Amino acid sequence: ILNVEQSPQSLHVQEGDSTNFTCSFPSSNFYALHWYRWETAKSPEALFVMTLNGDEKKKGRISATLNTKEGYSYLYIKGSQPEDSATYLCASSNQAGTALIFGKGTTLSVSS
Amino acid sequence: DAGITQSPRHKVTETGTPVTLRCHQTENHRYMYWYRQDPGHGLRLIHYSYGVKDTDKGEVSDGYSVSRSKTEDFLLTLESATSSQTSVYFCAISEQVRGGGVYNEQFFGPGTRLTVL
Repeated sequence: ILNVEQSPQSLHVQEGDSTNFTCSFPSSNFYALHWYRWETAKSPEALFVMTLNGDEKKKGRISATLNTKEGYSYLYIKGSQPEDSATYLCASSNQAGTALIFGKGTTLSVSS
Repeated sequence: DAGITQSPRHKVTETGTPVTLRCHQTENHRYMYWYRQDPGHGLRLIHYSYGVKDTDKGEVSDGYSVSRSKTEDFLLTLESATSSQTSVYFCAISEQVRGGGVYNEQFFGPGTRLTVL
């Protein structure tokens, strides 16, 4: 079973701050890395899927990078806003067509 | 929620009773999954299905069984509920997507909050 680790566990920033989180995963037999955004009382929402080493994805103020050789991905949020407050999950898979293994998430709280 | 519904959305039951949760999709996706969410553990896979009548165990399958008799429905059964199965249960669906690699992006249902007293 894959072991996906995320850090930090929680983070509190001020509005306007930029921040980043880390997801580490086993680099052997890597297939895909997913990032999800999960607001309280809602269901997880897909942000990015990355499959290739060096891949970078961007959606508005949120971006992600992937290093499959060393087994890590970074999620960046530029100019954090209160509506960015959520838990950010990463998940990895090592085979096509099978389930994802999720990390425990990083919970971001943004104060105005 | 990508055409995924879960029922019931909330349930309170007593230890030892059987419970069945239903996940229904209208997307005709091949893969369906059941996860549980607990504080400090994130999302953990219980069972998943890769086609009608094709299922496999996940990380925390003990005490749970599943069935998938048609593409749109995936049922999770707790044969004899225990207090340790108090949790929020999420269903997810996916389909293989080809583009820079083959991967399964998962879409989640709204969740079912189960309390076992």
